[in-house]
Amino acid sequence: GDSVTQMEGPVTLSEEAFLTINCTYTATGYPSLFWYVQYPGEGLQLLLKATKADDKGSNKGFEATYRKETTSFHLEKGSVQVSDSAVYFCALSDITSGTYKYIFGTGTRLKVLA
Amino acid sequence: DGGITQSPKYLFRKEGQNVTLSCEQNLNHDAMYWYRQDPGQGLRLIYYSQIVNDFQKGDIAEGYSVSREKKESFPLTVTSAQKNPTAFYLCASSIGLRQAAYEQYFGPGTRLTVT
Repeated sequence: GDSVTQMEGPVTLSEEAFLTINCTYTATGYPSLFWYVQYPGEGLQLLLKATKADDKGSNKGFEATYRKETTSFHLEKGSVQVSDSAVYFCALSDITSGTYKYIFGTGTRLKVLA
Repeated sequence: DGGITQSPKYLFRKEGQNVTLSCEQNLNHDAMYWYRQDPGQGLRLIYYSQIVNDFQKGDIAEGYSVSREKKESFPLTVTSAQKNPTAFYLCASSIGLRQAAYEQYFGPGTRLTVT
């Protein structure tokens, strides 16, 4: 069945460091891919999305490219800030099979130190 | 402002009691969802609804019930049959289920503690 795998956290970085959070997926159809962010004690917010191969989603300095050949959607940011500290979730949505699926990864906690 | 409200933010109950969590949206979205989040785990889908008076079980529906009498409202009842009810519960909505590209909008969550 469909699934999403994220790198284990926590990820601890110094301010202005480069960030990569890996996400790979398996899907029987042709899914849309998302990154959500969750700040402490809050719900999730959409960070970016991509709906077809080679699409690049971007928002607030974060980027991710839909790579069908490697079934990946890695999240990157060139220079992280303390305010980026949060939990990041990769997700996929697929209705190709006729059954609705929206699957989240387990989340990766990011801690940025000043 | 459009959005999703969940109340209360914190809820405490004794074991054996049913409890209902509120979820309201003013985004005019057709689809609504309930998720459960446990520490260190991803989100697990409890129930979802595509339209009023219709809902489907998700991956972990046992011990939970829902209703969808109005488009704006999707309350979740955690029954005494739920073996491990203490968790963070998130409600979400989306425009619909007909396109995979629709993102979900989340409420701020309700933290339920059962002792």
